[in-house]
Amino acid sequence: DTAVSQTPKYLVTQMGNDKSIKCEQNLGHDTMYWYKQDSKKFLKIMFSYNNKELIINETVPNRFSPKSPDKAHLNLHINSLELGDSAVYFCASSQAPGQPQPQHFGDGTRLSIL
Amino acid sequence: DQQVKQNSPSLSVQEGRISILNCDYTNSMFDYFLWYKKYPAEGPTFLISISSIKDKNEDGRFTVFLNKSAKHLSLHIVPSQPGDSAVYFCAARTYNQGGKLIFGQGTELSVKP
Repeated sequence: DTAVSQTPKYLVTQMGNDKSIKCEQNLGHDTMYWYKQDSKKFLKIMFSYNNKELIINETVPNRFSPKSPDKAHLNLHINSLELGDSAVYFCASSQAPGQPQPQHFGDGTRLSIL
Repeated sequence: DQQVKQNSPSLSVQEGRISILNCDYTNSMFDYFLWYKKYPAEGPTFLISISSIKDKNEDGRFTVFLNKSAKHLSLHIVPSQPGDSAVYFCAARTYNQGGKLIFGQGTELSVKP
């Protein structure tokens, strides 16, 4: 059973479109995250939610809007897609954010903007 | 401002030998460090971690060493196996930053038979 699952795995779309990426975890974790891996392979945090509440927003453009309907799901909606949004987006989850516990990652969504 | 650095983009090791992957950091407030392994088209997989109150943690073939005075972390893999070939990321966090992990840029390990 996949612990952290993201859909879709690949997303190819045109500039200006709106798209969503879904993430679900079945680990019973309280905290979920979105990371972006850019062309230079750096993994950088975008958002974190703890029990459906936003706790980290790393100066991400407001075209990116995370939504957490419950603590097992954290979706990412992106409006007016730009070329620079092309990247791999990873969802992750962990127990309470203050605990020294590892984060578990999904397999990523590769977003390509044409 | 890159707080976690992995200065070797790649490392090649013979099967059966030791692999040593290095990581340097600048933020003395980091209290928890992790190593992740990543295969192509997959997400990072947690490998091993260490709290800042320790200087060594061991799990099977994997050992992580922490030198706080040098702000240096290393991962030792002994013996190295071809299946260990992957990209290894070092990551760190401070307890009051909402769980945010700061990642290094990764080191690609190739273990040759």
